[in-house]
Amino acid sequence: NAGVTQTPKFQVLKTGQSMTLQCAQDMNHEYMSWYRQDPGMGLRLIHYSVGAGITDQGEVPNGYNVSRSTTEDFPLRLLSAAPSQTSVYFCASSLQGFGYTFGSGTRLTVV
Amino acid sequence: AQSVTQPDIHITVSEGASLELRCNYSYGATPYLFWYVQSPGQGLQLLLKYFSGDTLVQGIKGFEAEFKRSQSSFNLRKPSVHWSDAAEYFCAVVPDTGRRALTFGSGTRLQVQP
Repeated sequence: NAGVTQTPKFQVLKTGQSMTLQCAQDMNHEYMSWYRQDPGMGLRLIHYSVGAGITDQGEVPNGYNVSRSTTEDFPLRLLSAAPSQTSVYFCASSLQGFGYTFGSGTRLTVV
Repeated sequence: AQSVTQPDIHITVSEGASLELRCNYSYGATPYLFWYVQSPGQGLQLLLKYFSGDTLVQGIKGFEAEFKRSQSSFNLRKPSVHWSDAAEYFCAVVPDTGRRALTFGSGTRLQVQP
């Protein structure tokens, strides 16, 4: 039972490049979320999903895209990376949308 | 506006001393309440949660939290802090209606002095 798996753990991008942050969970959780963590700001919700095929925007969705084709996977796409997207990204999942289990994070630097 | 406030950015306590970390929320109705801990370079681990019932909830690692409806607070406490408790602590809520995703406070960094 791996829980929530995020890949890669570290990534450096150049401004304008695109990439996908992967998130997978093996707990058959319906709810999944993406957060970014910046110093002094806690974690802010980017996008979330309440099941396969259903996604919605969070507080800071601009510049990010998501899709949920399966229950297990919830990838986050950066369309055209900007330095302001330098952050640590966390994926989380939950059975009923209450107690969430977090992945170990992806540290992204955009230069 | 709905929000979660952790008024203390940084707290330093001596090992063996008691600890209280503050959390206040601003929601129309009582949300579901959580405390998470994050060690340096790590993900977040759930310490405890409050949904309803007894207002004093016990969590892992010897932590407890008390829900006070009149003060819209959910403060985290530990009677005797260990050096391994040094970490960042986040209070978070899920509203009782609407979006079932966590909204976090800005966090409190705990430093433990020997």
